[in-house]
Amino acid sequence: GAVVSQHPSRVICKSGTSVKIECRSLDFQATTMFWYRQFPKKSLMLMATSNEGSKATYEQGVEKDKFLINHASLTLSTLTVTSAHPEDSSFYICSAREGLAGGKTQYFGPGTRLLVL
Amino acid sequence: AQSVTQLDSQVPVFEEAPVELRCNYSSSVSVYLFWYVQYPNQGLQLLLKYLSGSTLVKGINGFEAEFNKSQTSFHLRKPSVHISDTAEYFCAVSESNSWGKFQFGAGTQVVVTP
Repeated sequence: GAVVSQHPSRVICKSGTSVKIECRSLDFQATTMFWYRQFPKKSLMLMATSNEGSKATYEQGVEKDKFLINHASLTLSTLTVTSAHPEDSSFYICSAREGLAGGKTQYFGPGTRLLVL
Repeated sequence: AQSVTQLDSQVPVFEEAPVELRCNYSSSVSVYLFWYVQYPNQGLQLLLKYLSGSTLVKGINGFEAEFNKSQTSFHLRKPSVHISDTAEYFCAVSESNSWGKFQFGAGTQVVVTP
């Protein structure tokens, strides 16, 4: 079946540095990908919708300058956490939508755990 | 905008006993409904989904769920749980006019004991 991968699976960085997380659809084209974050023992919160070839759409309260999203190809979306701080530590999960609306499946990546020291 | 409510934050259950996890949603448009399971330090695994058709949906690992439009519910059930079913379970909704954009419930932690 279709697979979505994320890289890295785990990253530790110093406060003030930037971290890039990749989300790839391995055997299908994803015109739309979604980025979620999950705090410990909490649910997933949608951060933004990533559209291939256009700007991402951010949810209310998500800083677009803080969380840069680039969807440069039909199989790759990247999330860059800029000037990371300890409060950005979280589990980031992407998902990719295969095909257009209805009847198609959403695939979730395995997640990236970010720890900012 | 849609919302999802999982009524139980934690459900303790004995091995081989049945379990039901409750999920209610609200939306002004038609929706697609999902249940996902998350094991510790792992990503999400799809258990089952309702897109259309029969309101009783069967998924993996012996789970099933029933869509009740009048009660706006999508409760998850398993007739006999195993220790390995200990995990966090999330109900999710995607509105038909914004397919793929998920709203997740707060999650229900299922703890299966011998």
